[in-house]
Amino acid sequence: SAVISQKPSRDICQRGTSLTIQCQVDSQVTMMFWYRQQPGQSLTLIATANQGSEATYESGFVIDKFPISRPNLTFSTLTVSNMSPEDSSIYLCSVTAGGPNEQFFGPGTRLTVL
Amino acid sequence: EDKVVQSPLSLVVHEGDTVTLNCSYEVTNFRSLLWYKQEKKAPTFLFMLTSSGIEKKSGRLSSILDKKELFSILNITATQTGDSAVYLCAAPLSGTYKYIFGTGTRLKVLA
Repeated sequence: SAVISQKPSRDICQRGTSLTIQCQVDSQVTMMFWYRQQPGQSLTLIATANQGSEATYESGFVIDKFPISRPNLTFSTLTVSNMSPEDSSIYLCSVTAGGPNEQFFGPGTRLTVL
Repeated sequence: EDKVVQSPLSLVVHEGDTVTLNCSYEVTNFRSLLWYKQEKKAPTFLFMLTSSGIEKKSGRLSSILDKKELFSILNITATQTGDSAVYLCAAPLSGTYKYIFGTGTRLKVLA
């Protein structure tokens, strides 16, 4: 397994501002994933972050809105830009560890946009 | 299109009851199915199932996979209030490390 930490744990932001969420893993991993979970919904993959290359975004998510950095094999950031109340969600980073079939999650960031 | 569907969407039981949560899937080149428990924010890993008919067990929780009928069940016996959570199942998409999640079953256990 992997130990994953995220910062901040929660935040309340004003519309139009941006928030950067950090994800730190205790071991080197090739791929990190960013998910969004809107209230009452399941997890939706935003993008896959690979070290040394641009992130790969899923349908409905764009780099201008959710820029991602992956400077090394243990760290990634997700920025939620120009926020609106619809961006209020839990944001989760995850990694595959112990084999390609096992995915582990960070503690999540609860974002509320007013 | 690949999909994972869970039922019921929500469930309210009393302590001591036994519950069965269902997860059906249609995933190209199916590899595995995972169960998670989500209490506050982060889903915590429960089981990974790859083979049909082999029960995975951890305390009062158990799970089994049926690759012929394309479903899995998660059983919780002698439920406790601490079992109250959203239970998610997920499967990796063919040829990728990306996962598709079901909508979850929200379980509430009353004292």
